[in-house]
Amino acid sequence: EVRLVESGGGLVQPGGSLRLSCAASGFTFSNYWMFWVRQGPGKELTCISQISHDETTTYYADSVRGRFTISRDNTKSTLYLQMNSLRAEDTAVYYCTTDLRVSGLWGQGTLVTVSS
Amino acid sequence: QTVVTQEPSFSVSPGGTITLTCGLSSGSVSTNYYPGWYQQTPGQAPRTLFYSTNTRSSGVPDRFSGSILGNKAALTITGAQADDESDYYCVLYMGSGNWVFGGGTKLTVL
Repeated sequence: EVRLVESGGGLVQPGGSLRLSCAASGFTFSNYWMFWVRQGPGKELTCISQISHDETTTYYADSVRGRFTISRDNTKSTLYLQMNSLRAEDTAVYYCTTDLRVSGLWGQGTLVTVSS
Repeated sequence: QTVVTQEPSFSVSPGGTITLTCGLSSGSVSTNYYPGWYQQTPGQAPRTLFYSTNTRSSGVPDRFSGSILGNKAALTITGAQADDESDYYCVLYMGSGNWVFGGGTKLTVL
């Protein structure tokens, strides 16, 4: 079965850190760019980060640049998002997806709540 | 900053046809923007309907179609069914790794 499964979300205090993971199965993970997309409480969707299949290229939204780091381990078919200096406005459901240009697989999401 | 525009809400009668659109606050949408369409019901992850304008994702019924109409990307539902009642989002690629989602359209089937 082709699927993406996120994990690592939870409740964290402002200024704290979390590391999200996204485990891929059923397809050749190393062939695809991968994305992190988040959906805030108002339901707005935002593409916050992308990584090329070989990790040589990464992109970040302005809202997370310098605080979040995307990475991947193709030997484990796993995508990561290290989130530091978290703010209340980072509260959202975080989804991993395959390359939005050429495919459309989404995970079920993991909820991150930043609150004291 | 360019905004991706969608109708906030739409209603359609069962069996009817509806076209949702995805535009730009400035300029025209073309295939170069790799338009994508997603369906989301409450509590669920988005489900991809189309990517790259009109490439249908696996399992999507052919009563859904994606296209460019005029200066916008379009999602057409022919023969609407009750379970098409959902939020629909589009996304456009602005270049340099910048993907922007629209605010979504809430579709009611009644």
